[in-house]
Amino acid sequence: ELKVEQNPLFLSMQEGKNYTIYCNYSTTSDRLYWYRQDPGKSLESLFVLLSNGAVKQEGRLMASLDTKARLSTLHITAAVHDLSATYFCAVDYAGGTSYGKLTFGQGTILTVHP
Amino acid sequence: GAGVSQSPRYKVAKRGQDVALRCDPISGHVSLFWYQQALGQGPEFLTYFQNEAQLDKSGLPSDRFFAERPEGSVSTLKIQRTQQEDSAVYLCASSLAWGGESYNEQFFGPGTRLTVL
Repeated sequence: ELKVEQNPLFLSMQEGKNYTIYCNYSTTSDRLYWYRQDPGKSLESLFVLLSNGAVKQEGRLMASLDTKARLSTLHITAAVHDLSATYFCAVDYAGGTSYGKLTFGQGTILTVHP
Repeated sequence: GAGVSQSPRYKVAKRGQDVALRCDPISGHVSLFWYQQALGQGPEFLTYFQNEAQLDKSGLPSDRFFAERPEGSVSTLKIQRTQQEDSAVYLCASSLAWGGESYNEQFFGPGTRLTVL
């Protein structure tokens, strides 16, 4: 059974600081996704990482994937209040019969304060 | 173009009532997924359709849960004899298609928040 674990689950950051959210998963997968969810809203896709060593950046967020370690990181640079949200990583099984079923982590609630 | 839409957005049911939740995927999307998101948790997979065929229903928590997509477009998730533990947000997602190693992004709807009293 595929399991996905994130840490930390709660993250309180000061504006301007840097931090990293970690996502570990239990079985082989070559595809990892990061989503953002604002309170009462649906999931917004941030990044799709499709291969070992993949790195993607958008604004103050950078995501990377190490498939050998089964680890992805979401790095936040110089946090601003607008980044406050819940962040989820999700994994699907990359294999012959894969169809996109996602297994999500528990989510990391990020709060950025002055 | 329009994204994935779901209705109703909020539903309050008394324990024991039946409910039906609707999902309108993006036009032309072959794959459709239902997920359940309990408060403070990540979404959990319920079921998957490829066109009208329900190819995976392994995540449905009990036989009170039933999903259909009869014409390969709109889907309905039905919950019979609702229980308090069914309270959650039900998310629908759609994607173009899937095959082997290919990837197609899943687009999520706004969800239906179900509260069972």
